[in-house]
Parts: sequence; structure tokens; C-alpha cells
Amino acid sequence: EAQVTQNPRYLITVTGKKLTVTCSQNMNHEYMSWYRQDPGLGLRQIYYSMNVEVTDKGDVPEGYKVSRKEKRNFPLILESPSPNQTSLYFCASRGQGQNIQYFGAGTRLSVL
Amino acid sequence: GENVEQHPSTLSVQEGDSAVIKCTYSDSASNYFPWYKQELGKRPQLIIDIRSNVGEKKDQRIAVTLNKTAKHFSLHITETQPEDSAVYFCAAFSTSGTYKYIFGTGTRLKVLA
Repeated sequence: EAQVTQNPRYLITVTGKKLTVTCSQNMNHEYMSWYRQDPGLGLRQIYYSMNVEVTDKGDVPEGYKVSRKEKRNFPLILESPSPNQTSLYFCASRGQGQNIQYFGAGTRLSVL
Repeated sequence: GENVEQHPSTLSVQEGDSAVIKCTYSDSASNYFPWYKQELGKRPQLIIDIRSNVGEKKDQRIAVTLNKTAKHFSLHITETQPEDSAVYFCAAFSTSGTYKYIFGTGTRLKVLA
């Protein structure tokens, strides 16, 4: 089954404690993105990747890092989380030459 | 930068009535316009999309219209049902340049039984 898998689904942490949210897709997609969703603001892109070792900033990259060492994985790293990073996060992927974007189930993060 | 404006932010309709959600985009290079439905606690799900070379597309009770000149596209839901209640997002995407999806801020649709 074609899917985008995020882990964990829910996470509560404290300010300053490094965390990683994993994202994996099994569709051999070149493009992967991370979004955060906040009430009234829609989905805002954090980072995206066009292929292995190729990443670029989205609209709200501050406080986040990503890596793309393998085609299927695109982890989101918060080196020193802060309360303003409390949000719902979605990973998404898209194949080259395709327009349709597939979303993971989401990760709800709370930073205390 | 590029943006997509979406209106209204909330919409309540009686079951059986029609609902219309409107979006305006700023990037002239945008050529793909998807609409997503997001139920509470779930991921966004693509419900319909339209490419810039088409003015209208319909799928059962759902239709999307595009006016490239005005940079405006709309989602139309006819004969609404309670299960249509959700948040709907529009987006604009360019297959050249930035390859970025720009999302609208969402419309919460409530269908009243």
C-alpha cells in the first residue's frame, strides 16, 4: 500500500530537549516536504527536498533542520524546541512530474 | 511572496443546500490547483483538482472552476450532506520555478441537519 508514515503521532516534550520526527514514504517519490498547521494559518511549508541531499527552506524554517540521506526518509529535527513550535506537523511526498501530493497522518507536538 | 487567499473562513449551510468556497492566488506561474478536505484529527485528503488549461471540472457533487485571468478558483459542493462537514483547503502549485504548494488558510464548513 502506497503511504507516507510519520512517527511519532503524538509527542509532548519540554523546551530545549532535542527531538526528531521521522517521515518515510514507499512510493519512490523525489519530492518531500514538511508543513506545520496552526489554527487560522493553514498549512505552511517548513522545508522541502527535491531529491537525496537536496533540501531547501520553505516559508517558516526557523528552528528546524532536515536531512535527506535516503530517498525514502525525510526527518524533521528540532534542535532546541520552544513553545511556539507547538503545532500539528505533516510530512508529504510527490513524484517527479506528478502534481498530487500525499500526506502523512500528522504529528501533534506540544512543547512545554 | 506568493500567497493564496481563501474565503470564507467559516461557512454554515443547511443540509441539501450548496456551498461555495473561493480562493485567489498571486503567482501567475501557478498551473495546478488542488482542493483538500480535512476531517478533525485527520490528514488532508485530495478531493478534486484542476489544471490551468481547464476552466471547470466536476466529480459528482463537487466541482471546481478556474478563472486564470482573475487568478481565482472556487470549490462548489451541491446537495450538501452532514458528512461534508470538515475544513477545506485550496492550494496553488507551479510546475516550474519554486515547485512549492501555497495553501489557503482553510474554510470550516458546517452542514446543519
